[in-house]
Amino acid sequence: AQSVTQPDIHITVSEGASLELRCNYSYGATPYLFWYVQSPGQGLQLLLKYFSGDTLVQGIKGFEAEFKRSQSSFNLRKPSVHWSDAAEYFCAVGDGSEKLVFGKGTKLTVNP
Amino acid sequence: DAGITQSPRYKITETGRQVTLMCHQTWSHSYMFWYRQDLGHGLRLIYYSAAADITDKGEVPDGYVVSRSKTENFPLTLESATRSQTSVYFCASRQGSYNEQFFGPGTRLTVL
Repeated sequence: AQSVTQPDIHITVSEGASLELRCNYSYGATPYLFWYVQSPGQGLQLLLKYFSGDTLVQGIKGFEAEFKRSQSSFNLRKPSVHWSDAAEYFCAVGDGSEKLVFGKGTKLTVNP
Repeated sequence: DAGITQSPRYKITETGRQVTLMCHQTWSHSYMFWYRQDLGHGLRLIYYSAAADITDKGEVPDGYVVSRSKTENFPLTLESATRSQTSVYFCASRQGSYNEQFFGPGTRLTVL
């Protein structure tokens, strides 16, 4: 069965600094990978997804993620963080069946 | 409005009472899901449905019942609520097996 690990429970960055959130997955074949963002009191919104093809994926709000098969990783990056990016971020993996498996999330705090 | 809605948004109930959380989507998506979100556990799948009248258990189904008589609705019932079911519940929908899930705004349930 697939699984997802987000090693960082909480990350704090300064506004304008770069950001990288880590995601490692466990799955035998090529996975379907997603990053979602959850603002306080809100549902989850899709940031980006990887199904196949180019391993560098562009998403909304200036985010990108890179799929590295050799490292079983799908890290999320943003070159310059804005205060509005403060939220919780979830990585998820699917195998094409009905279900997604979510990581436990990384909470991002942005200092002014 | 188009999209996925949940009602109620907030609910307080007492141990032993029956509670039904509603989920409605306007996209005619075939798949629908119920998750619970708890601190330290991320999102855990309770039940899902591939189509009307087809439901299946997820990771944490005990104490919950679902039905899906119409494609657009997927209610979740707690037949006899317990304190351990205090959580935030999210409904999601998806069209097809290889697409992202779209999430509702969530229902915060407190069981006293």
